[in-house]
Amino acid sequence: QSVLTQPPSASGTPGQRVTISCSGGSSNIGRNAVNWYQQLPGTAPKLLIYTNNQRPSGVPDRFSGSKSGTSASLAISGLQSEDEADYYCAAWDDSLNGRVFGGGTKLTVL
Amino acid sequence: EVQVVESGGGLVKPGGSLRLSCAASGFTFSDAWMSWVRQPPGKGLEWVGRIKSKTAGGTTDYAAPVKGRFTISRDDSKNTVYLQMNSLETEDTAVYYCATDPRGMHWGQGTLVTVSS
Repeated sequence: QSVLTQPPSASGTPGQRVTISCSGGSSNIGRNAVNWYQQLPGTAPKLLIYTNNQRPSGVPDRFSGSKSGTSASLAISGLQSEDEADYYCAAWDDSLNGRVFGGGTKLTVL
Repeated sequence: EVQVVESGGGLVKPGGSLRLSCAASGFTFSDAWMSWVRQPPGKGLEWVGRIKSKTAGGTTDYAAPVKGRFTISRDDSKNTVYLQMNSLETEDTAVYYCATDPRGMHWGQGTLVTVSS
């Protein structure tokens, strides 16, 4: 059971906009920055969004992040087949004194 | 170009020990905080622990399941961070990734640790 809660799956058709939610609590998302990672099949995770809504260089602006209270979300617009991957949210947890991850969301492009 | 390369994985019996290494290049390693994250087969990501830079105190933090069994250390002269794993359990079977902290901007390719009799 992960400290951060994500839906196990999401799906969309090419060109659509999809959002993935990440729900936490006052000791993690409520106080600290949220990062999002994309993991393509058989590869290492890749940073997609940091500090809630910042994109690293090279990440398309189709990807955006937001945070409100104890929840965060990742939005992907103009969905493409290469976006099919697992997506994870993460944040520092002050009560656990450690980083916590969501359980991951498997995105399928139909 | 930034490179992060883990090594040292393998098959070990329950109760055994293993030391993983993570060699980094392409950034100022001595200023970097480094973390270890693992992923059991077919499952999600799990944070293992981290080590701060020496200028930030060089202290370590660990996840509850590994505290007291795993130790993270660093050698800035070799641009390398280590994960010493003792009293290994079957539940520790996973791909172990090394990554920069706190954002996780740079990740290695991972090294597989299998704990089995």
